[in-house]
Amino acid sequence: QVQLQQWGAGLLKPSETLSLTCGVFGGSFNDFSWSWIRQPPGQGLEWIGEIVHTGSTKYNPSLKSRVTISVDASKNQFSLNLRSVTAADTGVYYCLRGGRWYTLGTYWGQGTLVTVSS
Amino acid sequence: QSVLTQPPSASGTPGQRVTISCSGSNSNIGTNYVHWYQQIPGTAPKLLIYENNQRPSGVPDRFSGSKSGTSASLAISGLRSEDEATYYCAAWDDRLTKWEFGGGTKVTVL
Repeated sequence: QVQLQQWGAGLLKPSETLSLTCGVFGGSFNDFSWSWIRQPPGQGLEWIGEIVHTGSTKYNPSLKSRVTISVDASKNQFSLNLRSVTAADTGVYYCLRGGRWYTLGTYWGQGTLVTVSS
Repeated sequence: QSVLTQPPSASGTPGQRVTISCSGSNSNIGTNYVHWYQQIPGTAPKLLIYENNQRPSGVPDRFSGSKSGTSASLAISGLRSEDEATYYCAAWDDRLTKWEFGGGTKVTVL
């Protein structure tokens, strides 16, 4: 059984950098792509981007200038950095398995509530 | 504003059949698979239907998906109280080069 466990800071000030990491346990890390999705309070889902074990990425064009997704395949982990956050970046962030060429969301992390407030 | 259009709400009594639509365009639903997710408040979304009409292991066969042209549908037959949730459709958009989600449909069991 595949499990995703994510961690990172939940409270940020405007202009800081959001950093989250997702660990993958079970399954074959190198056989899939891995994504981040976020959900503002009371709103819908927004895809942030994805990565594969080689480090190749795809990003949501609307966030591309502020986002970096990286991978440490030796640890079966991938990470999200979102720079210059504002209140509009507040929400629950999820890591999940899948992306453009693999079913999106077969497995999900537990979610991390990130609040941006001065 | 979502590129994929879903009705904001749907409802039915226990045992009824409820259908949720997801309308898109040639660049998303028209050329790519549609996936459906169920989200119960306070929890992560759960994959309900993948590749238009496939059910992951463990998803009851009361849930079914279909696609025709630039639209897709999720049907819930034999509605049960535990089906109260918000349902999202998703598809890759070749023009926007990103995953697009519908705005979500909240299903209420009356």
